[in-house]
Amino acid sequence: DIVMTQSPSSLAVSAGETVTINCKSSQSLLSSGNQKNYLAWYQQKPGQSPKLLIYLASTRESGVPDRFIGSGSGTDFTLTISSVQAEDLADYYCQQHYSYPRTFGGGTKLELK
Amino acid sequence: EVKLLESGGGLVQPGGSLRLSCAASGFTFTDFYMSWIRQPPGKAPEWLGVIRNKANGYTTEYNPSVKGRFTISRDNTQNILYLQMNTLRAEDTAIYYCAELGFDYWGQGVMVTVSS
Repeated sequence: DIVMTQSPSSLAVSAGETVTINCKSSQSLLSSGNQKNYLAWYQQKPGQSPKLLIYLASTRESGVPDRFIGSGSGTDFTLTISSVQAEDLADYYCQQHYSYPRTFGGGTKLELK
Repeated sequence: EVKLLESGGGLVQPGGSLRLSCAASGFTFTDFYMSWIRQPPGKAPEWLGVIRNKANGYTTEYNPSVKGRFTISRDNTQNILYLQMNTLRAEDTAIYYCAELGFDYWGQGVMVTVSS
């Protein structure tokens, strides 16, 4: 199984700050066939199901604000949230969709400072 | 409008069995892969398995952590996804979601508690 390691586990921020969440996979998520990285980012607010923000490492899902930026390749990935808004306070998870079983990172809780 | 509605959760004793259902509507059910994901309270989601679409023969993949105890199936005439869970353990306590991950369709989740 591919192990996904996220850091930090929690992050205290003020509105307007830029934050970075890291995700490392135990093996490469880069497909040699199409040069795409099979890494997704989810946001989850209390009492809700996870919501897809980013797939293929850097493609924003329809309707996701452009302050959410995914980057990285191979085994190292980053989710950057620029100018954090109050509505962005949530848990964030990376997930690999390169192979089965799909695996999630341990999560990053974004809290208000 | 796409809807996924789970049911069948509740309290079950260790060693017991439970079958969850997920009623799907608003999309052509047979065209899509359907997954089950669970999330223990306060922890990260865990992907349990997937059942492929008609074009791919409705074959299944499972997380090794539940393979042999959990079975995913689907009733394509009634648009219902199932998760049969056997030999349940305390660590199976979680919210269980059905989902179509490609288009990010998720149900609201159903709670399963395994406790004596």
